[in-house]
Amino acid sequence: EVQLVESGGGLVQPGGSLRLSCAASGFTFSSYDMHWVRQATGKGLEWVSAIGTAGDTYYPGSVKGRFTISRENAKNSLYLQMNSLRAGDTAVYYCARGRYCTNGVCYTRGMDVWGQGTTVTVSS
Amino acid sequence: DIQMTQSPSSLSASVGDRVTITCRASQGISSWLAWYQQKPEKAPKSLIYAASSLQSGVPSRFSGSGSGTDFTLTISSLQPEDFATYYCQQYNSYPRTFGGGTKVEIK
Repeated sequence: EVQLVESGGGLVQPGGSLRLSCAASGFTFSSYDMHWVRQATGKGLEWVSAIGTAGDTYYPGSVKGRFTISRENAKNSLYLQMNSLRAGDTAVYYCARGRYCTNGVCYTRGMDVWGQGTTVTVSS
Repeated sequence: DIQMTQSPSSLSASVGDRVTITCRASQGISSWLAWYQQKPEKAPKSLIYAASSLQSGVPSRFSGSGSGTDFTLTISSLQPEDFATYYCQQYNSYPRTFGGGTKVEIK
């Protein structure tokens, strides 16, 4: 079964740091781009970061310089290091599977698999 | 950044109704558009990719159309399990962006 399981959420003070993890199973993790998407309570979805199969990374302006996405293919794991956290970063954070690449050719079905989410609360 | 605008933001419909949700991109994105369904307290579920291709296991009452800047998600006959919030998302370029969502409620 294809599955993504996030962990690492919790309560952190403004200015603090947190590291989220996403454990992947049931597919060849190293062949997929991976994303983090967040959702504040009662709000819409906001894309937070992505990492390609070659380790290339992407961020929106709202988190660039504060968040770092990384992956460890040997452990089928995705990470999000979040620093200088603000109240506005409070949200449920989801990891999601993206584009598939093999032999130099890539195929995409959007973000086709999502984890159940982990909650980050930034508050004093 | 590409802005994604969905309309309406909410709608009320009855079981069996035909429902249409629109999504407009601020610039052309070819067919690099996906639709997601989200129920309360649940993770989003992918419904459609490449503007009109159904993900495996998605009922055929869901369909998508459009290209360039204007896109549509249609539910041909609304079922009780379809009451949810729907989001469009472009994956033409980074940063990826989502529409604001359309909440489909029971009339």
